[in-house]
Amino acid sequence: NAGVTQTPKFQVLKTGQSMTLQCAQDMNHEYMSWYRQDPGMGLRLIHYSVGAGITDQGEVPNGYNVSRSTTEDFPLRLLSAAPSQTSVYFCASSYAGGRYNEQFFGPGTRLTVL
Amino acid sequence: AQKITQTQPGMFVQEKEAVTLDCTYDTSDQSYGLFWYKQPSSGEMIFLIYQGSYDEQNATEGRYSLNFQKARKSANLVISASQLGDSAMYFCAMRERSSNAGGTSYGKLTFGQGTILTVHP
Repeated sequence: NAGVTQTPKFQVLKTGQSMTLQCAQDMNHEYMSWYRQDPGMGLRLIHYSVGAGITDQGEVPNGYNVSRSTTEDFPLRLLSAAPSQTSVYFCASSYAGGRYNEQFFGPGTRLTVL
Repeated sequence: AQKITQTQPGMFVQEKEAVTLDCTYDTSDQSYGLFWYKQPSSGEMIFLIYQGSYDEQNATEGRYSLNFQKARKSANLVISASQLGDSAMYFCAMRERSSNAGGTSYGKLTFGQGTILTVHP
């Protein structure tokens, strides 16, 4: 199992550009989510999905879109990049239901918006 | 209001000693879970330990234990016999009871701001 994979690992964008951060998992997890990590603020939830075709907003969704067409993939789209979106982005997945719900994290994508 | 509070921005410990990292939480749910993650300088998030709100005993995983005081809403991480490799950022996180319209629960986490632990030789 590759676990949770994210591409790219690093990205530099200019203000106003758009791009998609890719996330894939091979554990057949129903639940997937995107977080951003900023200095001194921990991880904050952007969007999440409880299954193919079902997505919802987290704490900081503005400026981001997601879709979930398959169980495996959960891409995050930046529509018009802004310097405030400079951050490290983590994708995570877990089983739905059950007691534990441990989330498995990808390695992260470091994004810089100039 | 902060749901997860980690009041120690940085902590220092001597190698082989024990250290406690503090975490307090705020929830009105009866059913919730508490997690600790480690983030080394390489950046990945590593799961350490989990405590369920209904668990009667404190969770332990090797050198990690969780001092769970439900009435005080605290879930402190205790690392025994610190090692140089323990130097990292540590995050406390909480999963409250969440479910979609179909009743499926899932693991939406709220994180604290983190504590940087430095282990001195």
